[in-house]
Amino acid sequence: GENVEQHPSTLSVQEGDSAVIKCTYSDSASNYFPWYKQELGKGPQLIIDIRSNVGEKKDQRIAVTLNKTAKHFSLHITETQPEDSAVYFCAVLTGGGNKLTFGTGTQLKVEL
Amino acid sequence: GAVVSQHPSRVICKSGTSVKIECRSLDFQATTMFWYRQFPKQSLMLMATSNEGSKATYEQGVEKDKFLINHASLTLSTLTVTSAHPEDSSFYICSAQVDGDYGYTFGSGTRLTVV
Repeated sequence: GENVEQHPSTLSVQEGDSAVIKCTYSDSASNYFPWYKQELGKGPQLIIDIRSNVGEKKDQRIAVTLNKTAKHFSLHITETQPEDSAVYFCAVLTGGGNKLTFGTGTQLKVEL
Repeated sequence: GAVVSQHPSRVICKSGTSVKIECRSLDFQATTMFWYRQFPKQSLMLMATSNEGSKATYEQGVEKDKFLINHASLTLSTLTVTSAHPEDSSFYICSAQVDGDYGYTFGSGTRLTVV
């Protein structure tokens, strides 16, 4: 089955700095790569996603890059704000299926 | 955007009793619902996948007789934890997929505590 690794597990940045979280996956047939933000006691919320036919996608301060050859994709958050503090999960959808496999999560803390 | 309403948000039950969790898709028809369990500081683990009108498909290691899933309509899926025990205490989250769409919308989660 699909194996998704996520790093780092914790990330602390100063407000205004950038944050980068990386995920690697094992199945080359994977074709959809969403990123979720989960606040304490709440369900995950989609913040950005990318499909396998695209190398990069940006939405204001958030961007995702995908390297299919190396089988990794990264979340980039620029100009971080305290409200960006949360747990971030990457996920992978394997081609032909409809199940998401989640990474292990990254606790992001944005300090004033 | 698509919204999935999950209830209750928190529930405390006595050991041996059953608890039902509901997930409703409010503004779309969810042909497939997913149920996840999340322990503290851990990732989401898929428990089962249910398609409207069909029996749920459970992941390896998940007891289907303990975690009963019903997906009787395109807008409602329920998870019943039967004969709950303290080790079933966890955060349960549903997710809905619109047929043919990559979009997965998550519910707000249910914190189950079994005492």
